[in-house]
Amino acid sequence: GAVVSQHPSRVICKSGTSVKIECRSLDFQATTMFWYRQFPKQSLMLMATSNEGSKATYEQGVEKDKFLINHASLTLSTLTVTSAHPEDSSFYICSAAGDASEAFFGQGTRLTVV
Amino acid sequence: GDSVTQMEGPVTLSEEAFLTINCTYTATGYPSLFWYVQYPGEGLQLLLKATKADDKGSNKGFEATYRKETTSFHLEKGSVQVSDSAVYFCALGMDSSYKLIFGSGTRLLVRP
Repeated sequence: GAVVSQHPSRVICKSGTSVKIECRSLDFQATTMFWYRQFPKQSLMLMATSNEGSKATYEQGVEKDKFLINHASLTLSTLTVTSAHPEDSSFYICSAAGDASEAFFGQGTRLTVV
Repeated sequence: GDSVTQMEGPVTLSEEAFLTINCTYTATGYPSLFWYVQYPGEGLQLLLKATKADDKGSNKGFEATYRKETTSFHLEKGSVQVSDSAVYFCALGMDSSYKLIFGSGTRLLVRP
């Protein structure tokens, strides 16, 4: 299957700082990318959907000013957690969809805010 | 709203044992159903899927049948291997947009 690379795999940041997570499709063009979040022992929850060149669509209850999503090219989407707080500590994972009949997932990023 | 419930792990089995991971769903329409697997340090990979009632998805010895009457999509394998140790996610999708609703994941540990 196609490869989606997510970076970093783990990050620890101080409360109040911002963290950027990258999601790259390495061998295909991703017209749509999805960002999910998973709290311990809970489901992966869809946060937002981004289409290349347009604003992201956020799910209900997700603060768009806190979770900034940029999808400036067909191979890269970024999620920036602004002014991070300990309650933002979670596992973030992206998926990317192009012409294939499925979406492909990155490895995920474990964010810890201290 | 739509949701997926799967059995809480971890599930620990000996090699060659029979595996069942239960998954049930709630949906207002007619979803497609999926099982994804995540091996240590890797992303989620599509394991199998079924798009309509009574369809059976299968891959790598794993099977799951879309049961509309019981709203279930249980994952089974007749003989697990150590290499099957991973986290398994059940998911549903309501349209072709690749937007998925996931269960909480079940960790499987297979001992030699």
